[in-house]
Amino acid sequence: DADVTQTPRNRITKTGKRIMLECSQTKGHDRMYWYRQDPGLGLRLIYYSFDVKDINKGEISDGYSVSRQAQAKFSLSLESAIPNQTALYFCATSDPHSQGVKYNEQFFGPGTRLTVL
Amino acid sequence: KNEVEQSPQNLTAQEGEFITINCSYSVGISALHWLQQHPGGGIVSLFMLSSGKKKHGRLIATINIQEKHSSLHITASHPRDSAVYICAVSAPTALYGGATNKLIFGTGTLLAVQP
Repeated sequence: DADVTQTPRNRITKTGKRIMLECSQTKGHDRMYWYRQDPGLGLRLIYYSFDVKDINKGEISDGYSVSRQAQAKFSLSLESAIPNQTALYFCATSDPHSQGVKYNEQFFGPGTRLTVL
Repeated sequence: KNEVEQSPQNLTAQEGEFITINCSYSVGISALHWLQQHPGGGIVSLFMLSSGKKKHGRLIATINIQEKHSSLHITASHPRDSAVYICAVSAPTALYGGATNKLIFGTGTLLAVQP
């Protein structure tokens, strides 16, 4: 079944370490997103990519970078992790060719729980 | 004030009860989403609607565009309905170059259905 997968699912790391979170999708969607979720807050957009050559900052991009290696792969990096980056991270995809209300639909991966000590 | 507000933040119900979760928003939207997040984190889409009402099994979602309000109802609730329910809206935005929509999320409603 076409899907959005994230690796790793859980990661504990130390302050200052470089971390990469990976997202892969088999949906054939052009658009991919990275969000973080913190307790008591709604999901917030970190970066988004509309195709391999189009990458854009979201609301909270400071401290993060991304790479769109292929249509199917979108990675999020924390160059030097800090404790306030402890959160649940979600990758999502959407299909800009969908019609009507389905144009707005995003499909989420299972999430990566990151803890920075 | 958040652009998407949900109430209640926490809800405990007994199995079989009728449940209502509310969502109000303050921006112009092209669609409203109800999402479900189970313990363990995964988020799945329950409904997307731009008007009226949708029903899927025991779940019903309604939206009133004039009042900028939506409700998610669960009939005959069951412990397996225990999850976080998230309201999100698709809003046209210049953030995306003005050409598409941004998802704005509420903070979620934590529902626990007790047997």
